Amino acid sequence: QVQLRESGPGLVKSSETLSLTCSVSGDSITSSSHYWGWIRQPPGKGLEWIGSIDYTGKTYDNPSLTSGVTLSVDTSKNEISLKMSSVTAADTAVYFCARHHALFGVYTVLQEFDSWGQGSLVTVST
Amino acid sequence: SYVLTQPPSVSVAPGKTASITCGGTLIGTKVVHWYRQKPGQAPVLVISNDSDRPSGIPERFSGSNSGVTATLTINRVEAGDEADYYCQVWDSSVVFGGGTKLTVL
Repeated sequence: QVQLRESGPGLVKSSETLSLTCSVSGDSITSSSHYWGWIRQPPGKGLEWIGSIDYTGKTYDNPSLTSGVTLSVDTSKNEISLKMSSVTAADTAVYFCARHHALFGVYTVLQEFDSWGQGSLVTVST
Repeated sequence: SYVLTQPPSVSVAPGKTASITCGGTLIGTKVVHWYRQKPGQAPVLVISNDSDRPSGIPERFSGSNSGVTATLTINRVEAGDEADYYCQVWDSSVVFGGGTKLTVL
């Protein structure tokens, strides 16, 4: 059974860079049928997709996000990482990583998030 | 960008049927997934591909999708079903609905 665990600082200063890591166990990051995604949830609000990455480093990300988002993958550690630059208080949220089922063909179609980490609260201080 | 519209709240008595809708332009041509999120917990997939139940999800949960509305139906609602429910599609980008709070009276 796949397990995902987010880790990183719980407090980040405004205008600095938020960095989180997601460690995956029970499945390989190099899975041919999955991407690995990041989703966030501000306190009391709904879910917002940040982006997803496959083991080759190919990414899809949310064009609506204004903060600079960088996704990366480390296959040797079976981990993915998220960096968001120049954060503001609006980036305060619980950040989840999740396994993202994908269909590969002429086009890649990202489907459901079938397993989630427990989430990591990141607070941006002003 | 594509928008998914869910009612903010739905209330239902125990043992009755709850229907949570997810509206979107021609959503019937897209594949819809549903998640349940209890307070302080991560979301859990309850329906994928419009109507497929992942392993471990009770048969009381079902989904449908046609026209401009996708629907999550929960039969014989239990107190433990009280949660926030989100729909999600892929439209060259992941789109989540705003979420529906299900209250069991």
